[in-house]
Amino acid sequence: DSGVTQTPKHLITATGQRVTLRCSPRSGDLSVYWYQQSLDQGLQFLIQYYNGEERAKGNILERFSAQQFPDLHSELNLSSLELGDSALYFCASSPMASAGEQYFGPGTRLTVT
Amino acid sequence: SQQGEEDPQALSIQEGENATMNCSYKTSINNLQWYRQNSGRGLVHLILIRSNEREKHSGRLRVTLDTSKKSSSLLITASRAADTASYFCATVAGYSTLTFGKGTMLLVSP
Repeated sequence: DSGVTQTPKHLITATGQRVTLRCSPRSGDLSVYWYQQSLDQGLQFLIQYYNGEERAKGNILERFSAQQFPDLHSELNLSSLELGDSALYFCASSPMASAGEQYFGPGTRLTVT
Repeated sequence: SQQGEEDPQALSIQEGENATMNCSYKTSINNLQWYRQNSGRGLVHLILIRSNEREKHSGRLRVTLDTSKKSSSLLITASRAADTASYFCATVAGYSTLTFGKGTMLLVSP
């Protein structure tokens, strides 16, 4: 158990809908990262937050947004969902802002029908 | 975009044998990390090697890094069925975030 929690575990929704994925980092970790894993794209970095501020942006679509709250938990919002958004979404955390070892949550499996 | 590319894509061995996975990357790096993922689960960090290091050990794991060839290898000695998983290399350039390869699927048969 990494200490990173993600909810929900599974999510099934229809195209055009909006969903929110939630992540609680390990106690004391200030950085939160979001990744998308799909068969065709592999593991893609989406976005990083550090102590409430956006730190780095990767291949995140404009339909997706995220934030980190004062208690350091983070939410990833996915809107206008398309079939191609079906994937595993992972959250990871680390103590600092620089990219050393990261601790991954169990993931949320999103299925868009 | 993928920075690291693992080779082979899949590897099947018997328990007790050694498993070697390779990773090649394209740009200069700060460090390189290896992660393990059991089917559909979260990734687990295995080892980090910095750009000024050539070799690192952790238990049955041995990682090498050749920055001149932009490549790394992960050796798992005396493999066990529990080592069955996908293994990913991830690179860090500067202070930016991890960029993962597509992974090697390792199957260890009893």
